[in-house]
Amino acid sequence: DTAVSQTPKYLVTQMGNDKSIKCEQNLGHDTMYWYKQDSKKFLKIMFSYNNKELIINETVPNRFSPKSPDKAHLNLHINSLELGDSAVYFCASRDSGYSSPLHFGNGTRLTVT
Amino acid sequence: AQSVTQLGSHVSVSEGALVLLRCNYSSSVPPYLFWYVQYPNQGLQLLLKYTTGATLVKGINGFEAEFKKSETSFHLTKPSAHMSDAAEYFCAVREPNAGGTSYGKLTFGQGTILTVHP
Repeated sequence: DTAVSQTPKYLVTQMGNDKSIKCEQNLGHDTMYWYKQDSKKFLKIMFSYNNKELIINETVPNRFSPKSPDKAHLNLHINSLELGDSAVYFCASRDSGYSSPLHFGNGTRLTVT
Repeated sequence: AQSVTQLGSHVSVSEGALVLLRCNYSSSVPPYLFWYVQYPNQGLQLLLKYTTGATLVKGINGFEAEFKKSETSFHLTKPSAHMSDAAEYFCAVREPNAGGTSYGKLTFGQGTILTVHP
């Protein structure tokens, strides 16, 4: 039983295309996140939703648009893909309470050619 | 603002040797601290966390970490390395009660790759 699942696992596309990554969690958590891991393995938060409400929106190009249809799902849509968007994107979720840890999905490796 | 520094991007040990991965943080208040492990092509898995109480916390796979407020450190240790410990390890910090745009945000260090030699 996968707790946080992302699809697709790999995504190869050309510059200028639009693509989406989907994330679902079956843990009953209220809060979900998108993190970007660059080629140097640095993890940076992009967005966070709490009960379908956007609460964290870091400095991310507006080509990136998250959508949360319900608290179990958080999707990431990327318009006009650029070479620099190539990275691994991780979805994560956590329960309420400041001490609760993040539970990560296995990542989506996006390659823009 | 909170930040995390992991000293040493690569650590290499022999099987059976002590593992020590260093993490120092910067935070305006004592934060919540986490260690995660990432195996190749996988997501991050929680090893252990410190919130309040006992400063020595034990995690999975024989790892433990000690919170030292005076040194603003949260170093990860394991007495005896195993080949299966080879992975990348991330230290992360969250300020307690951070609300607004920082709600629950985890800030990660840059990671330390652990190599275990036979």
